[in-house]
Amino acid sequence: NAGVTQTPKFRVLKTGQSMTLLCAQDMNHEYMYWYRQDPGMGLRLIHYSVGEGTTAKGEVPDGYNVSRLKKQNFLLGLESAAPSQTSVYFCASSRDWGMNTEAFFGQGTRLTVV
Amino acid sequence: GNSVTQMEGPVTLSEEAFLTINCTYTATGYPSLFWYVQYPGEGLQLLLKATKADDKGSNKGFEATYRKETTSFHLEKGSVQVSDSAVYFCALSLVSGGYNKLIFGAGTRLAVHP
Repeated sequence: NAGVTQTPKFRVLKTGQSMTLLCAQDMNHEYMYWYRQDPGMGLRLIHYSVGEGTTAKGEVPDGYNVSRLKKQNFLLGLESAAPSQTSVYFCASSRDWGMNTEAFFGQGTRLTVV
Repeated sequence: GNSVTQMEGPVTLSEEAFLTINCTYTATGYPSLFWYVQYPGEGLQLLLKATKADDKGSNKGFEATYRKETTSFHLEKGSVQVSDSAVYFCALSLVSGGYNKLIFGAGTRLAVHP
């Protein structure tokens, strides 16, 4: 069972470069999320999607864009990377929307911007 | 605001020792509470949850009780194993600002040795 798969797992970027992180889920989930995790802090929500073709801003959306063209994929883009975007990025998905819903996470992408 | 605070790690224990990882929260309203675990090289996965006051979540020998009076959700296990070595995240879920928020603590690393 693949679950939630993120690519790449590691990446080093130079300041100003762009890149796209891909998240794919095979559970037919409607809801998908991108989080970032920084040392000493919990995961913070960047953007989320409640279905194919929809996206919305989370807690820390600045500097990121997302797209959900297909239900199974949720892309996170950095148009002009900055050192402050050095972080570990987690994608997650869930079957429905509610306070008791379990989220399923990918393995994470460790991004370093130099 | 809404937040989760958990004890700093790393927590280092010998096999068969008793484990407690403290978690307290601040929230408006009545959140659901979760513990997620991240094993080395893997994504976060749900360990247990509790949806209302005095509920006890349990799984794989781990337990946590939703204590509204102390706003706590401490994780306990009576006898840890080497295979329990992982990072543990406490989280709360509530509806705020128009969407369902899953708010995480910073994570506590547990290392168990033989």
